[in-house]
Amino acid sequence: QVQLVQSGADVKKPGSSVKVSCKASGGTFSTYAISWVRQAPGQGLEWMGGIIPIFGTPNYAQKFQGRVTITADESTSTAYMELTSLRSEDTAVYYCARVKEPLRLLDAFDIWGQGTVVTVSS
Amino acid sequence: QSALTQPPSVSGSPGQSVTISCTGTSSDVGSYNRVSWYQQPPGTAPKLMIYEVSNRPSGVPDRFSGSKSGNTASLTISGLQAEDEADYYCTSYTSSSTVVFGGGTKLTVL
Repeated sequence: QVQLVQSGADVKKPGSSVKVSCKASGGTFSTYAISWVRQAPGQGLEWMGGIIPIFGTPNYAQKFQGRVTITADESTSTAYMELTSLRSEDTAVYYCARVKEPLRLLDAFDIWGQGTVVTVSS
Repeated sequence: QSALTQPPSVSGSPGQSVTISCTGTSSDVGSYNRVSWYQQPPGTAPKLMIYEVSNRPSGVPDRFSGSKSGNTASLTISGLQAEDEADYYCTSYTSSSTVVFGGGTKLTVL
């Protein structure tokens, strides 16, 4: 049974950066895309971008282009999402999610991490 | 890429059926069968309920069904149960090789 375990909650100052990790266990990592989805308090879900670890080339939502970097380390089965130039509007729960089918960057997300709360406050 | 349009809320009594719509454009819902639906109870991670318009993952009750017509996809929940109360989100693959979510629909079981 594949599980995604994310890093713990974080508090950041405006203008700084945050890096969230997502470690996969119990299954194949390299050929299944991992996406990052965030949810601001009381708001809906928002796709940020994704990556297939074996290929290593990420795809980002236009909104986050230039501010987000998604990477994957096959040796540790861990994906990362780094968001820079943080502002208060980036306060949200950040989820990693794995797609259902291998070698498809964008597909249904059938496995989700537990979420990481990132708070941006001065 | 604008979010897909969902009604903010729907409601129904136990045993009834409810349908949640998800309207996109010819650049997403209308052109691809990669529409998925997620259930999210408060304080929890989303759970996949429907993929590729109408397919149910293992373990999802057959009370949940999906369909699509033109630029609008729909999720129907029949035989409504109290445990179905949650937020529901649709997603679609887009022509820009991205994923777009709907704004979410709060289902209340009366």
